[in-house]
Amino acid sequence: GAVVSQHPSRVICKSGTSVKIECRSLDFQATTMFWYRQFPKQSLMLMATSNEGSKATYEQGVEKDKFLINHASLTLSTLTVTSAHPEDSSFYICSARQGEEIETQYFGPGTRLLVL
Amino acid sequence: GQNIDQPTEMTATEGAIVQINCTYQTSGFNGLFWYQQHAGEAPTFLSYNVLDGLEEKGRFSSFLSRSKGYSYLLLKELQMKDSASYLCAVSDSNYQLIWGAGTKLIIKP
Repeated sequence: GAVVSQHPSRVICKSGTSVKIECRSLDFQATTMFWYRQFPKQSLMLMATSNEGSKATYEQGVEKDKFLINHASLTLSTLTVTSAHPEDSSFYICSARQGEEIETQYFGPGTRLLVL
Repeated sequence: GQNIDQPTEMTATEGAIVQINCTYQTSGFNGLFWYQQHAGEAPTFLSYNVLDGLEEKGRFSSFLSRSKGYSYLLLKELQMKDSASYLCAVSDSNYQLIWGAGTKLIIKP
């Protein structure tokens, strides 16, 4: 199957700093990428949907100025957590969709963020 | 509102069979997914059902009844490595995935 990578896999940062997470589709062009966060023992929560070359669509309750998403190319989307705080500590997972077919959505390995 | 229900936790024995149920109420339906997620890892795709019936894929099978808003994931010949959370997700009328909270499956020797 298709491969989606995320970098970094794990990051620890101080409160108030910004952290950038990259999501790359390695062997296909992703028209749409999704960003999720997952707290321990909870399900995935969709944060935003990003389409290449356009602004991301954020879910209700997700601050777009805090979670900056850039989908600059068909193979790269970035999520920047600005002025991170301990409550932002979570598991962030991206997924990429190759086309309009629903099945072709592949998940990255996730990034574990710990804000001290 | 939109709702996906699945049991929080299940326990089964190695070599046995287990069925994980999922019921859903969503605005529109464009398919139901099952994903496996090991602790600390991202979900991996298991199955996709959009028509009624049973889809078999090796040791795993998935069933869908759209009229009942019901699906199950059947795991046969359970192995210790099958210990994981199993997530049910439904694609709604906007092709957005609505996720269940997941079922933690514990396999005992």
